[in-house]
Amino acid sequence: AQTVTQSQPEMSVQEAETVTLSCTYDTSESDYYLFWYKQPPSRQMILVIRQEAYKQQNATENRFSVNFQKAAKSFSLKISDSQLGDAAMYFCAYRSSNAGNNRKLIWGLGTSLAVNP
Amino acid sequence: DTAVSQTPKYLVTQMGNDKSIKCEQNLGHDTMYWYKQDSKKFLKIMFSYNNKELIINETVPNRFSPKSPDKAHLNLHINSLELGDSAVYFCASSQKLAGVSYEQYFGPGTRLTVT
Repeated sequence: AQTVTQSQPEMSVQEAETVTLSCTYDTSESDYYLFWYKQPPSRQMILVIRQEAYKQQNATENRFSVNFQKAAKSFSLKISDSQLGDAAMYFCAYRSSNAGNNRKLIWGLGTSLAVNP
Repeated sequence: DTAVSQTPKYLVTQMGNDKSIKCEQNLGHDTMYWYKQDSKKFLKIMFSYNNKELIINETVPNRFSPKSPDKAHLNLHINSLELGDSAVYFCASSQKLAGVSYEQYFGPGTRLTVT
């Protein structure tokens, strides 16, 4: 069974600096999808970025980018030029591309990010 | 335009009562989900429907019953509420289109407090 591990329960960063959140996963599959979701205090779950495993290029969305290391099964999120609005819980999630997997996301436990002014 | 909406956003009720949470999505997605998020922020999948068919039914007490009248709606009914049911319940939806990934879009959540 697949698992997702976020080893940093809490992190903090100074405003305008860069921070990297870690995520590792375990799978025997070769094709899958990976996601980072953000949950600010408003509790709304917001998709930040996604990565298809068959793509070698790391996904980027504005100040958010990932470092996808398929062999190492690592999927870290880098936030550049951190802003106060980035303060949130960040969840890493895995989704098999196997249609028989009932479209289920496997979630990490989350990393709480604080942004200091 | 709200993509995934839930009602109510807050629900306070007493033990033993029966309550329902409603979810609607206007994204045209074919799959909908219910999640429970506990006080430690752990997200647990409860149910999922694809085109009104139940496809995920995790280990959840029988007091919880999902109903999908059509693929745009997924409701959650909870009987005989217990203190441990207090949590935030999220509805989500997703769709696969020609290889595009299965990202899920979430509703705003319903904070259920059982007293």
